[in-house]
Amino acid sequence: DIQMTQSPSTLSASVGDRVTITCRASQSLSSWLAWYQQKPGKAPKVLIYKASYLESGVPSRFSGSGSGTEFTLTISSLQPDDFATYYCQHYDSYSRMYTFGQGTKLEIK
Amino acid sequence: EVQLLESGGGLVQPGGSLRLSCAASGFTFSTYAMNWVRQAPGKGLEWVSVISSSGVITNYADSVRGRFTISRDNSKNTLYLQMNSLRDEDTAVYYCAQDGGRGELSYWGQGTLVTVSS
Repeated sequence: DIQMTQSPSTLSASVGDRVTITCRASQSLSSWLAWYQQKPGKAPKVLIYKASYLESGVPSRFSGSGSGTEFTLTISSLQPDDFATYYCQHYDSYSRMYTFGQGTKLEIK
Repeated sequence: EVQLLESGGGLVQPGGSLRLSCAASGFTFSTYAMNWVRQAPGKGLEWVSVISSSGVITNYADSVRGRFTISRDNSKNTLYLQMNSLRDEDTAVYYCAQDGGRGELSYWGQGTLVTVSS
């Protein structure tokens, strides 16, 4: 089974900072890689699909990149609403199974 | 507007059973694969199960295979999760989520809490 490992687990940053979260896979992936934002008590919200495509309605300060075993989510200029937990997710199109990373909590410095 | 509304959660003893439902609206339910994802208190997201649009194809996480059964009724726009032989570690908020067709889960319900405890 593919394992997804996010780093860091916790990230402290300030409004206006540029931040990057990394997701590493235990083996090379297709481009079926998505990123989600989750706030306490709420359901996750998709930000990025197919590694680099911005979901409709998501601010352009969010971007995704990567291929193979390493993928990144970048927030170009942190806004107060961005402090949340972020998850990467891989989709195996053969088994139709999803695998999530363990999450990265983005905190206010 | 896409809406997914889960129900059926609650407190159940270890070894017990529970059936979750997810009522869908705002999209053509019968044309989308659907999933269940859970989140234990204070923990990350764990994918549980998927069902194809027709209901013919299903798959499960190893942690629930043989105990949980996913199903759907396209005439009622409803997704189900039958959970048997429940364990303490099944305690979680259970979300239903629409497969967006691009490797992502596009829409999520608000979740329903299942607590397994004696």
